[in-house]
Amino acid sequence: AQTVTQSQPEMSVQEAETVTLSCTYDTSESDYYLFWYKQPPSRQMILVIRQEAYKQQNATENRFSVNFQKAAKSFSLKISDSQLGDAAMYFCAYRSRLSGNTGKLIFGQGTTLQVKP
Amino acid sequence: GAGVSQSPSNKVTEKGKDVELRCDPISGHTALYWYRQSLGQGLEFLIYFQGNSAPDKSGLPSDRFSAERTGGSVSTLTIQRTQQEDSAVYLCASSLAYQRLASYNEQFFGPGTRLTVL
Repeated sequence: AQTVTQSQPEMSVQEAETVTLSCTYDTSESDYYLFWYKQPPSRQMILVIRQEAYKQQNATENRFSVNFQKAAKSFSLKISDSQLGDAAMYFCAYRSRLSGNTGKLIFGQGTTLQVKP
Repeated sequence: GAGVSQSPSNKVTEKGKDVELRCDPISGHTALYWYRQSLGQGLEFLIYFQGNSAPDKSGLPSDRFSAERTGGSVSTLTIQRTQQEDSAVYLCASSLAYQRLASYNEQFFGPGTRLTVL
């Protein structure tokens, strides 16, 4: 079974600075997706960024980028030029691409990010 | 367009009562997922519906939990004889039909129902 681990329950960053959130995962599969989701106090989960495991190039979305290390099973999220609106809980998630899989997401425990003005 | 909606937003119930949580997916989305987010924990998968196929119920924690999806649209998650450990936020997500080798289909989440069992 696949597992996702986020070892940082809470992180803090100064506005305009850069912060990195860590995620490790365990799987025996070679074909999968990895995601970072943002959950603000409204509870609405928002997709921040995704990475296909077969792609070596790290995904980037504006101020958000990932460091995907497939051999190490590591998938960190870097937020550059942090803004007050980035304050939220962030979840790392895994999704298999194997036959028979339903597309369900497997989540880590989450990291609460505080942004200080 | 309208996103995924869930009702009620909050539900407080007494231990032993039954509750029903509703999810309205995005129109045209045939795949629907329920997840549970317990305090201090990540989300855990509960159940998956895809069109008229048999649902994947592998994540339901006990036989007190059940779900149905009528007409391939609205879904209801029912918890019978609620226990205090059932207190959590229940999130619903929908997507276009899941196809393993197809382009990725994003799951869109609703705002969730916060269930409190006293």
